[in-house]
Amino acid sequence: QVQLVQSGAEVKKPGASVKVSCKASGYTFTGYYMHWVRQAPGQGLEWMGWINPNSGGTNYAQKFQGRVTMTRDTSISTAYMELSRLRSDDTAVYYCAREPRGVGATEYYFDYWGQGTLVTVSS
Amino acid sequence: DIQMTQSPSSLSASVGDRVTITCRASQSISSYLNWYQQKPGKAPKLLIYAASSLQSGVPSRFSGSGSGTDFTLTISSLQPEDFATYYCQQSYSTLSYTFGQGTKLEIK
Repeated sequence: QVQLVQSGAEVKKPGASVKVSCKASGYTFTGYYMHWVRQAPGQGLEWMGWINPNSGGTNYAQKFQGRVTMTRDTSISTAYMELSRLRSDDTAVYYCAREPRGVGATEYYFDYWGQGTLVTVSS
Repeated sequence: DIQMTQSPSSLSASVGDRVTITCRASQSISSYLNWYQQKPGKAPKLLIYAASSLQSGVPSRFSGSGSGTDFTLTISSLQPEDFATYYCQQSYSTLSYTFGQGTKLEIK
């Protein structure tokens, strides 16, 4: 069965960086895009960007350009999201989510999600 | 970026009620509209994709409709497990996905 298992909660100081991992299993890792979505406490969902695990190509939301880096290690079927220059308003639960975007795909949606990783930014 | 606006922001209803949630896009997105359900402390769950396609395993009381800029999610007969927050998402712009602000469905 498809599973996305994320790394554990993090506490960081303002100005630091955080790297969250998302280990995939139960499917061919390189066959699906991986997205990152965050949710601040009591707030809605905010899309951050995606990585194509096959090519390593990335696309980031304008809001996070210059601060976010998405990478992957295909040997261990794991995607990573690193956010730098953390601020207090980066405190949120960060989710990875899989998008089935194979060759000829005409529909785009997130069908499986990780369990979420709470990142707390506090001095 | 394409803006997504849901209404209402919150809704109170009873078990057995028929409920409709609306999502409006700031420009035409054809049928590239998805619906997710999120319960407290849990990850979102895909309900409907491409405006009206029911995700595998999702009960048939959930349905979606619409195209262009106006979309609806309908729950035909509310069950106790349906009380949650619902989000729409546009995937027309695959370089910039956006979500609606959410609709919290509460028990009356």
